[in-house]
Amino acid sequence: DQQVKQNSPSLSVQEGRISILNCDYTNSMFDYFLWYKKYPAEGPTFLISISSIKDKNEDGRFTVFLNKSAKHLSLHIVPSQPGDSAVYFCAARGLQGAQKLVFGQGTRLTINP
Amino acid sequence: ETGVTQSPTHLIKTRGQQVTLRCSSQSGHNTVSWYQQALGQGPQFIFQYYREEENGRGNFPPRFSGLQFPNYSSELNVNALELDDSALYLCASSRQESYYEQYFGPGTRLTVT
Repeated sequence: DQQVKQNSPSLSVQEGRISILNCDYTNSMFDYFLWYKKYPAEGPTFLISISSIKDKNEDGRFTVFLNKSAKHLSLHIVPSQPGDSAVYFCAARGLQGAQKLVFGQGTRLTINP
Repeated sequence: ETGVTQSPTHLIKTRGQQVTLRCSSQSGHNTVSWYQQALGQGPQFIFQYYREEENGRGNFPPRFSGLQFPNYSSELNVNALELDDSALYLCASSRQESYYEQYFGPGTRLTVT
């Protein structure tokens, strides 16, 4: 049962343009969402998060949007830079007491010069 | 500030053997979570340790067990290894009050033959 889904395994974007990564979830009880970035041979690193009581959170070039009615969140990166090339995972905080993060399958983002 | 470290980096074991993976938490963190990441998938939650006790568990059999030590470092033990246990094992540390903001180590790549 895949509760968090990233349906695009890969995405290729021109340097300087906007990158949009998408994530869908099925469990309406999730109340906190996070994006992680992973380079090869490194562990995932925390990027940005959003509480379910908000619909947008911005941090520099990174903005996360949450659409609760559609159970959909997206990460926007603008402008995209070559160093943004990595695998991006969305994750949801587990249900109360579950003490875990539920991750999507990841999207490989490639920024082309 | 020292980040999360894991050892060993790579490991090859034979089916039926036992393995122990190690993790040192980031300074100031009291909670450790372990994840299994199969190829092309997102990390899957195995369990979490807080105050040296298991504090949440995912859908993994009892042959996956763990320990947390007074200095908050942790071990993951897997008995009776199976071929499907081949994966990247990630350790993440956090503060219990914000356990979802997890900081990951680089992982241990386990290959079972």
